[in-house]
Amino acid sequence: ETGVTQSPTHLIKTRGQQVTLRCSSQSGHNTVSWYQQALGQGPQFIFQYYREEENGRGNFPPRFSGLQFPNYSSELNVNALELDDSALYLCASTAPTGIAYGYTFGSGTRLTVV
Amino acid sequence: GNSVTQMEGPVTLSEEAFLTINCTYTATGYPSLFWYVQYPGEGLQLLLKATKADDKGSNKGFEATYRKETTSFHLEKGSVQVSDSAVYFCTLGGDYKLSFGAGTTVTVRA
Repeated sequence: ETGVTQSPTHLIKTRGQQVTLRCSSQSGHNTVSWYQQALGQGPQFIFQYYREEENGRGNFPPRFSGLQFPNYSSELNVNALELDDSALYLCASTAPTGIAYGYTFGSGTRLTVV
Repeated sequence: GNSVTQMEGPVTLSEEAFLTINCTYTATGYPSLFWYVQYPGEGLQLLLKATKADDKGSNKGFEATYRKETTSFHLEKGSVQVSDSAVYFCTLGGDYKLSFGAGTTVTVRA
């Protein structure tokens, strides 16, 4: 299996709700990162997982959390949704050789909070 | 911390024109540099990369050279096509994450 697959593609939630976004990485890619891309801006790093452990985090509050599973799938969970959480959420994975290899991105999940 | 500054858009060109998008970076250590492209309604695609000083990345007619002395990684293409219309992101890789510029929207008219 090749590529990075994200689901769902679009989602509408109400402020205060919780959401789970899913990602399936390429086989052998044991590093996965999540990014938030607000409209008209560049993606912002949320956090990274390596071998099921978080090993890096950007400037996002604890209500953003994640999980990585042994089968190269992962989740991004956001609690207590706020209107500003409306964005495109991108999952990216890379091979064990690391960042110089380049990340493969999924097509993203468009989250709208109303 | 690491950061990237790229030329603001939007940029509008005619087909077969020359494209340059300027990018400069600030970083500690020896980062890798990338250009990612985002077509309308899609995720990010890696366009090209360079992992050390003086490396030249190239793909689909696009080129960029990692210049440590000027901390730059400018993107160039000699003859653009309508299909090159997209948002281009200069990106720095280091400290376990990618740092993106704000993106430059390029529109190529036939």
